Amino acid sequence: SQTIHQWPATLVQPVGSPLSLECTVEGTSNPNLYWYRQAAGRGLQLLFYSVGIGQISSEVPQNLSASRPQDRQFILSSKKLLLSDSGFYLCAWSPKGIYYNSPLHFGNGTRLTVT
Amino acid sequence: AQTVTQSQPEMSVQEAETVTLSCTYDTSESDYYLFWYKQPPSRQMILVIRQEAYKQQNATENRFSVNFQKAAKSFSLKISDSQLGDAAMYFCAYRGGSQGNLIFGKGTKLSVKP
Repeated sequence: SQTIHQWPATLVQPVGSPLSLECTVEGTSNPNLYWYRQAAGRGLQLLFYSVGIGQISSEVPQNLSASRPQDRQFILSSKKLLLSDSGFYLCAWSPKGIYYNSPLHFGNGTRLTVT
Repeated sequence: AQTVTQSQPEMSVQEAETVTLSCTYDTSESDYYLFWYKQPPSRQMILVIRQEAYKQQNATENRFSVNFQKAAKSFSLKISDSQLGDAAMYFCAYRGGSQGNLIFGKGTKLSVKP
């Protein structure tokens, strides 16, 4: 069966420090991968998605970047964190290709607090 | 662009009663899927139920069912025999054929009173 791992679970970082959140998927090949952010009192906003190694699409301009160095690894990064980057970050995967009848499967999330 | 709207920020239901959460969406696509996700305090996103736009029959999963009105672009979730464990944020989501990502509503926080 497929599993998704996301870490760390919580992170407190000072303004201006770098960020690296990692997500890995097991049990499937060439999945679509996603990074979402959930701000307090809001729904989920798509930040990035990837349909293959090195292929990253950004949905909103921001202080963050994403990379997919391996087939089942998705990394969210920042060179210098801003206070507004605080939030709950969720990684998700779906089967290869655009199968819109398939739901996204989510990791347990990372709570990021920028101080 | 597709949008999803959940007009009820918070709802409350008595244990064992029935509650309906509302969701409307806007799209020009003809084929798509709709989902309801549950996010308990642990914040894990859990799929509750899904509905294909081409299917007229409403989806049902145990105590959870939907009322899908395609012409009205409405997709409500009905929870029967509410349990304390149903207390959570509920998100309605849309996924169409032209893109791979899910578009979420802002969520409805459901409280269940004992």
